[in-house]
Amino acid sequence: GNSVTQMEGPVTLSEEAFLTINCTYTATGYPSLFWYVQYPGEGLQLLLKATKADDKGSNKGFEATYRKETTSFHLEKGSVQVSDSAVYFCALNDYKLSFGAGTTVTVRA
Amino acid sequence: DAMVIQNPRYQVTQFGKPVTLSCSQTLNHNVMYWYQQKSSQAPKLLFHYYDKDFNNEADTPDNFQSRRPNTSFCFLDIRSPGLGDAAMYLCATTGLAGVVSQYNEQFFGPGTRLTVL
Repeated sequence: GNSVTQMEGPVTLSEEAFLTINCTYTATGYPSLFWYVQYPGEGLQLLLKATKADDKGSNKGFEATYRKETTSFHLEKGSVQVSDSAVYFCALNDYKLSFGAGTTVTVRA
Repeated sequence: DAMVIQNPRYQVTQFGKPVTLSCSQTLNHNVMYWYQQKSSQAPKLLFHYYDKDFNNEADTPDNFQSRRPNTSFCFLDIRSPGLGDAAMYLCATTGLAGVVSQYNEQFFGPGTRLTVL
């Protein structure tokens, strides 16, 4: 079956630090990959997505590249802000979403 | 703006007292999902509707039911809430004009936080 393994937190960073959250997946077929973000007390918002191998998704300074050879979709941001504090979920879509466990990121001023 | 709306945002009920959560969407999507999310864990899919076709997950308790009277609305009914049902309940949609594929993102509502006393 499909599954997503995500680096667990919590992760605490200082403002302007570099952020990486690792995500690897197991899937049959050709899934799309997503990163969702959840701010406190809110629903999930799509941060970025990639639909095929070697695609790079990007949004709000975040990037992730769909690597089929390493079955990975790591999330990166070069300079985080306090407003990036949230829970980040890696997800695989093969007609149903399979989520990773989520990573809580806290950015200190 | 087109969106997924959930009401109420906060719901308090008593142990064993039936409760209904509401979701509506202006996206005209074919598929509507209900998820349960506890304590910043990953959302857990309870069931989904593809148009009027109901699809239950194998491990969803019978205590949870759903109704979809039309394209725009979907309800989650908890027949006899227990303390373990306290959670955030998320509604999501996907699939415009009958196109549902693994490329589609799901659009989530803000959630309803359920407290069981």
